[in-house]
Amino acid sequence: DQQVKQNSPSLSVQEGRISILNCDYTNSMFDYFLWYKKYPAEGPTFLISISSIKDKNEDGRFTVFLNKSAKHLSLHIVPSQPGDSAVYFCAALRRIQGAQKLVFGQGTRLTINP
Amino acid sequence: DSGVTQTPKHLITATGQRVTLRCSPRSGDLSVYWYQQSLDQGLQFLIQYYNGEERAKGNILERFSAQQFPDLHSELNLSSLELGDSALYFCASSPGTRTEAFFGQGTRLTVV
Repeated sequence: DQQVKQNSPSLSVQEGRISILNCDYTNSMFDYFLWYKKYPAEGPTFLISISSIKDKNEDGRFTVFLNKSAKHLSLHIVPSQPGDSAVYFCAALRRIQGAQKLVFGQGTRLTINP
Repeated sequence: DSGVTQTPKHLITATGQRVTLRCSPRSGDLSVYWYQQSLDQGLQFLIQYYNGEERAKGNILERFSAQQFPDLHSELNLSSLELGDSALYFCASSPGTRTEAFFGQGTRLTVV
């Protein structure tokens, strides 16, 4: 049961342009969403998050948009830089009786071309 | 550096054996999570501990077990290992009152 889905395994974008990574979820109980970035041989690094009560959160070049009715979120990177090449994981958080379960998507490999 | 330390970084062992992976969370973090990442797959949630107590369980096999000790470090025990258990195992930690989890570098387990 894949509750968080990233349907694009890979994405290639020209340096300086906008990168848009998409994520869909099925469980309406998720109340917090996060994006992580992962380089090879390293652990995932937290990038940006958004609460379910908001529809947008911006941090520098990174903006996350949340469409609750469509159960869809996206990460926009503008402008894209070569160092942004990595695997990006979308994650959704659900609080269950004092615990929090963080569910990840399959990841999207972003390649920024010079 | 996330502040989460995992040891060992690499582990090669034979089928049927038992191994223990160790995780030291960030200073002050009470929650520890374990995730498995198999080849070309996403991060699969295994288990969460909070201040020594198991709080949430994911797709963790019965051959696997974990615990969190009074000093808050955690161990993931994998027994009767099979070839399919070869994967990256990540530990993450978070403070009790925040939601972002910070990940360690992972332990790459190879079962031969």
